Amino acid sequence: GENVEQHPSTLSVQEGDSAVIKCTYSDSASNYFPWYKQELGKRPQLIIDIRSNVGEKKDQRIAVTLNKTAKHFSLHITETQPEDSAVYFCAARLDTGRRALTFGSGTRLQVQP
Amino acid sequence: GAVVSQHPSRVICKSGTSVKIECRSLDFQATTMFWYRQFPKQSLMLMATSNEGSKATYEQGVEKDKFLINHASLTLSTLTVTSAHPEDSSFYICSASSPGDTQYFGPGTRLTVL
Repeated sequence: GENVEQHPSTLSVQEGDSAVIKCTYSDSASNYFPWYKQELGKRPQLIIDIRSNVGEKKDQRIAVTLNKTAKHFSLHITETQPEDSAVYFCAARLDTGRRALTFGSGTRLQVQP
Repeated sequence: GAVVSQHPSRVICKSGTSVKIECRSLDFQATTMFWYRQFPKQSLMLMATSNEGSKATYEQGVEKDKFLINHASLTLSTLTVTSAHPEDSSFYICSASSPGDTQYFGPGTRLTVL
C-alpha cells in the first residue's frame, strides 16, 4: 500500500517568512495529492491539492509543487501570518473518490509574531 | 464547499457501553465515506471505508465486530463502538467524497470511556 513521509515534524518561522513542508510517497500509481490544515480540536480543512498532470499549483500565498519522477511534493507558504499556525498534513491516493487518502505524519507550524 | 456533519461532537460513556456516531453529507450524496481515528498530536489513521449499500472494508488491525459501520443511505454512515473500553478513547473523524472526488471531513467526535 501507499506510504507517505512528511518533514519536518515541527517548523517555527517568523511572521512574514516563508515555510516549506515536504512529503514523499511510495506508490507510483498515486496521482492526487491534497494538503490539509488542522487547528487544535477541529476538522482537517483542504487548503490546496494537485493532480499528477501538473507540476505546480498556486493559490494566493500557498503553492504546491510535485515531482512525479522523484515521488515527492511540497507545500510552500509565503508571507506567513500568525493565523497560519496549525498542523499541516499531506496526503496521497489514486484520483478517485472511492479510495482513501494516506496521510503523512503532520507538521506543526508555528508562526511567531 | 461541501459540508459534512458529525454527531455527537463529544461523548463520555462508561466502560462496556456502546456508542453510535453519525456522519452525514449535508449537501451532496456520498457513495463512499471513510472513518479515521486520531490520537493526540498524531496523524489520521484510516479505520475503514464505508460504501453505500455494501459491507465496509476494514483496515488491517481494526476489529470489525468492535467497530460496526453501516452506510444505509447516500448521506449517512454510522460508526458504533461496541463494548467500549478506555483504550477506545480517541478522536473519531469521518470524511465523505464529494462528486468531484474531494474528501471533506466532519468536525470529529471526541470519545472518552471511563
